[in-house]
Amino acid sequence: DAKTTQPPSMDCAEGRAANLPCNHSTISGNEYVYWYRQIHSQGPQYIIHGLKNNETNEMASLIITEDRKSSTLILPHATLRDTAVYYCIVRIKSGSARQLTFGSGTQLTVLP
Amino acid sequence: EAGVVQSPRYKIIEKKQPVAFWCNPISGHNTLYWYRQNLGQGPELLIRYENEEAVDDSQLPKDRFSAERLKGVDSTLKIQPAELGDSAVYLCASSSRDGGYEQYFGPGTRLTVT
Repeated sequence: DAKTTQPPSMDCAEGRAANLPCNHSTISGNEYVYWYRQIHSQGPQYIIHGLKNNETNEMASLIITEDRKSSTLILPHATLRDTAVYYCIVRIKSGSARQLTFGSGTQLTVLP
Repeated sequence: EAGVVQSPRYKIIEKKQPVAFWCNPISGHNTLYWYRQNLGQGPELLIRYENEEAVDDSQLPKDRFSAERLKGVDSTLKIQPAELGDSAVYLCASSSRDGGYEQYFGPGTRLTVT
């Protein structure tokens, strides 16, 4: 699986959009970008994933650059409950149930 | 739908003692994972099961760790004997092909070895 690079920490004001970047310059054509988050004392939680098109669900939006070497997770209206460690993971999806390879992630702190 | 259930949530033991963790995956999920998460780091896979078969246990320290998944449902992870360095959070996750292989995690068991 391709390696990812994320900033170790970010702050965001409550109610504002949180934009979390991720670099994955060695991503292969069949690898997807996944985002998980881990709230303190809980297990990781799936947020969203995508291949090359932008994706949106009830939790967040995922913007992947045209060359697929980087992506941004957007929480449109951050709340205090969004404070968590956010992990960007690149992996093959189809026909595979392989492990998730977690990096250190980004600690997002939403400030009141 | 119930999520992944783990017990106990917390465990404190003395070194050299045995300990066991239990996981009940989401109903219908045939793939089960055990991860270990050290403080300040991301989770790392210990073992992956497809139904009752362990298909990836390359990261499991086999001298002291063992796992089983009888009948392809619940799973137990055991450490015997525990060492100080085993203090960590042990996470169980499950996934299914029908669910697109997204992994759903339990709350974890926080182990402290003194």
